[in-house]
Amino acid sequence: GNSVTQMEGPVTLSEEAFLTINCTYTATGYPSLFWYVQYPGEGLQLLLKATKADDKGSNKGFEATYRKETTSFHLEKGSVQVSDSAVYFCAQEGAQKLVFGQGTRLTINP
Amino acid sequence: DVKVTQSSRYLVKRTGEKVFLECVQDMDHENMFWYRQDPGLGLRLIYFSYDVKMKEKGDIPEGYSVSREKKERFSLILESASTNQTSMYLCASSRAGFRNEQFFGPGTRLTVL
Repeated sequence: GNSVTQMEGPVTLSEEAFLTINCTYTATGYPSLFWYVQYPGEGLQLLLKATKADDKGSNKGFEATYRKETTSFHLEKGSVQVSDSAVYFCAQEGAQKLVFGQGTRLTINP
Repeated sequence: DVKVTQSSRYLVKRTGEKVFLECVQDMDHENMFWYRQDPGLGLRLIYFSYDVKMKEKGDIPEGYSVSREKKERFSLILESASTNQTSMYLCASSRAGFRNEQFFGPGTRLTVL
């Protein structure tokens, strides 16, 4: 079946560091891919998405590129801030439903 | 501002009790979803609904049921709560069709003693 695998957390970085959170997927066909973010005490909210191969989603300084050849959708940010501390979820869509990865907890220290 | 609301942020129940979790969305969305969130497991889909009075099982429906009598409201029911149902429950909604964003409520943290 379809699945999403994220890099193990938690991840702790210093402010202004470069961030990469790896995400790979298995699926039949070419699903839409999403990154959601969950700030403390809140529900999930969409961070960015890509709907076809080579698409780049971007928002709030975060980027992710849909790589069909490596079945990946890694999340990157060039300079993280303390306010980016949250749990990040990679997800793929199938039949209007989402399949989520296990989540990666990110902590940014000042 | 679009909104998905859940009836409680925190809930404590006893084993064997019947538990109702309510979710309401104000975006006129066709699709609604119930997930549970557990550390290391991410979000797992319990049930979803594409329309009023329609429901489909997700990946982990055992021990749960749902009700959707009105378009804006989707209820999750634990017929006889058990300790292994202690979890964070998240409701979401989306427009019909593909590639649409799901909007999430703030979650209900349920503890079953």
